[in-house]
Amino acid sequence: AQSVTQLDSQVPVFEEAPVELRCNYSSSVSVYLFWYVQYPNQGLQLLLKYLSGSTLVKGINGFEAEFNKSQTSFHLRKPSVHISDTAEYFCAVSHPVQGAQKLVFGQGTRLTINP
Amino acid sequence: SAVISQKPSRDICQRGTSLTIQCQVDSQVTMMFWYRQQPGQSLTLIATANQGSEATYESGFVIDKFPISRPNLTFSTLTVSNMSPEDSSIYLCSVIPRAHMNTEAFFGQGTRLTVV
Repeated sequence: AQSVTQLDSQVPVFEEAPVELRCNYSSSVSVYLFWYVQYPNQGLQLLLKYLSGSTLVKGINGFEAEFNKSQTSFHLRKPSVHISDTAEYFCAVSHPVQGAQKLVFGQGTRLTINP
Repeated sequence: SAVISQKPSRDICQRGTSLTIQCQVDSQVTMMFWYRQQPGQSLTLIATANQGSEATYESGFVIDKFPISRPNLTFSTLTVSNMSPEDSSIYLCSVIPRAHMNTEAFFGQGTRLTVV
C-alpha cells in the first residue's frame, strides 16, 4: 500500500524568503505524485504533478518540485514566497494504473508567511 | 478543467439527522469521487460515485452511512446519515474530466459540516 509523509505540519517563513515543504512517499512500484494547495475556506487546487520524464516539475505560482526516486521524495520549493502563499499544502501519491482516481494524501503542511 | 459547485458550503446539524450534499460539474466527467477531511487531518477517499449504479466504497465506509447517488455524468449527491459529532468534517467532491486522461483530479470547495 502507498503512503505519504509530510515531515512538517507547520512551516513559518518570512515574506520573500525561500521555502521547502518536504514530502516522502512509500511505494514498491512506480508512482504519480501531486502537490495540491488549499487556501482558507476553499477546495484543493493542483500546483503541479509528476507523471514521468523530467524529475524537476514546474507548477503554478512559481512553485516547483523534484522527484527523487532513490530517496522516495517529492519536495516542493519556491525561491521567494508572498503573503498570498499562506495556505495548507498537501502532497499526494497514486499508482499509475489508477491514476488520479485513488489519491493518497499526506497530512498537510500549513505554510504561514510573515511580513 | 472543470468547475465544481458544491451545496451547501457549510451546515450545522443536530445529531441523529441526515444531510445531503450536492455536487454539480459544468461538463461531463468520467469519474466523480467523495472525500472526507476531518479536522486537522488529511483527505480520505470515501467512495467513487458510479453513474447509474451503486457507488464503490473504500474500506471503513459503508453505504448505509454514506449513501451516494449519481444519476448522470455531471451530478452526484452524498448523504451523511444518522450523524454524530464524529462526522464533523469537510466533505469534498472531486472529478476527473475526460480530457485529463486520468492524470488530474479537480476538487470542489467543500462542505463544512458541524454536528452538535
